[in-house]
Amino acid sequence: EVQLVESGGGLVQPGGSLRLSCAASGFTFSNYWMSWVRQAPGKGPVWVSRIKPDGGETHYADSVKGRFTISRDNAKNTLYLQLNSLRGEDTAVYRCVGGGFDAYWGQGTLVTVSS
Amino acid sequence: QAVVTQEPSLTVSPGGTVTLTCDSSTGAVTSGHYPYWFQQKPGQAPRTLIYDTDNKHSWTPARVSGSLLGGKAALTLSGAQPEDEADYYCLLTYGKARVFGGGTKLTVL
Repeated sequence: EVQLVESGGGLVQPGGSLRLSCAASGFTFSNYWMSWVRQAPGKGPVWVSRIKPDGGETHYADSVKGRFTISRDNAKNTLYLQLNSLRGEDTAVYRCVGGGFDAYWGQGTLVTVSS
Repeated sequence: QAVVTQEPSLTVSPGGTVTLTCDSSTGAVTSGHYPYWFQQKPGQAPRTLIYDTDNKHSWTPARVSGSLLGGKAALTLSGAQPEDEADYYCLLTYGKARVFGGGTKLTVL
């Protein structure tokens, strides 16, 4: 059974940092592009970032470029997202997505940016 | 950044056919935008239905199909079922960036 399990979310003050993790199982993680997608309460999903299977290429949405960093550890089957300089508008559920043609979605971890 | 536009809401009768569209602010949507379609029900993560315009995953119902129509990406549900009531989102790729549409709330009534 395929599983993507996110962790690391929580309440953080504006300007703070968090590191999200996504543990993958049930498929060959190292073969696939992986992405982060966020969704604010009551809103639609927003694409955040993606990373090549070997980690050698990364892409970011303009809204997070320079503040967020995506990475992966294929030995641990884990995807990461480092969130820095957090703002209120970053408040959302963050989900990892991947597998062949974005077949698999995690349930997400909630990041709340508030003072 | 490009803006991707979908119908905010649509209604279809049970057994009926409905087409949802996905428009790009940069011009016609083509296969080079690799259109994806996702279904999301309340309290759940999105589920990927269509990738690369018209390709289905193994779980995609046969009544669901993707296409390009009049310069837009399109998702057609033929023979709508009550369980098709959900939010639907498209996703387009612009080089290194990907952009979701705002979503269509589909009511089966």
